Amino acid sequence: NAGVTQTPKFQVLKTGQSMTLQCAQDMNHNSMYWYRQDPGMGLRLIYYSASEGTTDKGEVPNGYNVSRLNKREFSLRLESAAPSQTSVYFCASSERGGAYGNTIYFGEGSWLTVV
Amino acid sequence: QQQVKQSPQSLIVQKGGISIINCAYENTAFDYFPWYQQFPGKGPALLIAIRPDVSEKKEGRFTISFNKSAKQFSLHIMDSQPGDSATYFCAASKGMDTGRRALTFGSGTRLQVQP
Repeated sequence: NAGVTQTPKFQVLKTGQSMTLQCAQDMNHNSMYWYRQDPGMGLRLIYYSASEGTTDKGEVPNGYNVSRLNKREFSLRLESAAPSQTSVYFCASSERGGAYGNTIYFGEGSWLTVV
Repeated sequence: QQQVKQSPQSLIVQKGGISIINCAYENTAFDYFPWYQQFPGKGPALLIAIRPDVSEKKEGRFTISFNKSAKQFSLHIMDSQPGDSATYFCAASKGMDTGRRALTFGSGTRLQVQP
């Protein structure tokens, strides 16, 4: 029972490099999310996908792109990494949104450092 | 601007004591208020949640108190244990389209329970 799986767990990038964070869930959930976590700022929503084929911007989308590849997978791409994107990234999913009775489940995080 | 404000940033409590973490929100459209618990190196996990039509919800040693008129809600941990040492996040969500709901998080409280 894996839940939400993120890869890679750790990554160091040079400024200007690109990379994709992968996320997959095995709970047949419709909604998926990408958050970033920075000290003292909690978790901030980057992008989310309410269902397969749809994506929406969150609070901090600049510098990122996403792809909802199918119902299971939701990837986050950094086209040209910047030091300000050094953070811990969390993928999450829920059956249908974040509401009472619809728990949002998180992966274990991807630690990204941009030098 | 931060839509959900959380305090304190850190908290030290003696074993057996009561831990209290507070959150305040501005947007009256919020109608789901969960608390998440995060251990080091792990993703956040749902601890307890409340809807605004009730003033209190209790699950074991964890209680949410909700004050709709003051737009505040708090987490109380009774008989705090060293195993409760973690970072706690309050959150809120809104929206008629359940599938498009995402959580807005507070900045987090690092709780340390001393033996």
